[in-house]
Amino acid sequence: QKEVEQNSGPLSVPEGAIASLNCTYSDRVSQSFFWYRQYSGKSPELIMSIYSNGDKEDGRFTAQLNKASQYVSLLIRDSQPSDSATYLCAVKESNYQLIWGAGTKLIIKP
Amino acid sequence: GAVVSQHPSRVICKSGTSVKIECRSLDFQATTMFWYRQFPKQSLMLMATSNEGSKATYEQGVEKDKFLINHASLTLSTLTVTSAHPEDSSFYICSAIVLAGNTGELFFGEGSRLTVL
Repeated sequence: QKEVEQNSGPLSVPEGAIASLNCTYSDRVSQSFFWYRQYSGKSPELIMSIYSNGDKEDGRFTAQLNKASQYVSLLIRDSQPSDSATYLCAVKESNYQLIWGAGTKLIIKP
Repeated sequence: GAVVSQHPSRVICKSGTSVKIECRSLDFQATTMFWYRQFPKQSLMLMATSNEGSKATYEQGVEKDKFLINHASLTLSTLTVTSAHPEDSSFYICSAIVLAGNTGELFFGEGSRLTVL
């Protein structure tokens, strides 16, 4: 069974520091990877997508993909209290369905 | 990003009644939409895949007669929870794929919180 694994946390990071969120996946042929942010009581919103090995940067967010090791990570630089949320890792199936990780709860402490 | 609108955002109903939730893609056409359910402190659970003009594909364990899905147009999919019971109380979220070449990104509606008394 295809799986996406995340540490549920909570991960506590001081304001201004770098938050590092990790995700591993089981399906070696997966090609598309996504990070979503979900605030409590709200629906997920897309933060980053990554399709190639290496780093992809967008503002304070950097997604990193290593297909050989089957992991994808999300770095948040200069963490802000507003970054406190649950971060969901998702891996796309061939039919456009996503396999979801359980999410990592991130807490940014002022 | 693309806009997916979901309505109502909150609904409270009595046990035994039916509730309809609408999901609209506002600025694009969505041939495929997905319906998720999320219980407190749990991750998203895919309920069904809704394809425009055809029957929905339900995930294992999801009762198709209880959760009726209709995707009659390229911009609207509806989920009807029939004969709702308290255990159906949950956060229901729809999403739609925006295709770009060989890739696609999933955008979510705002979600509908159902409380069955």
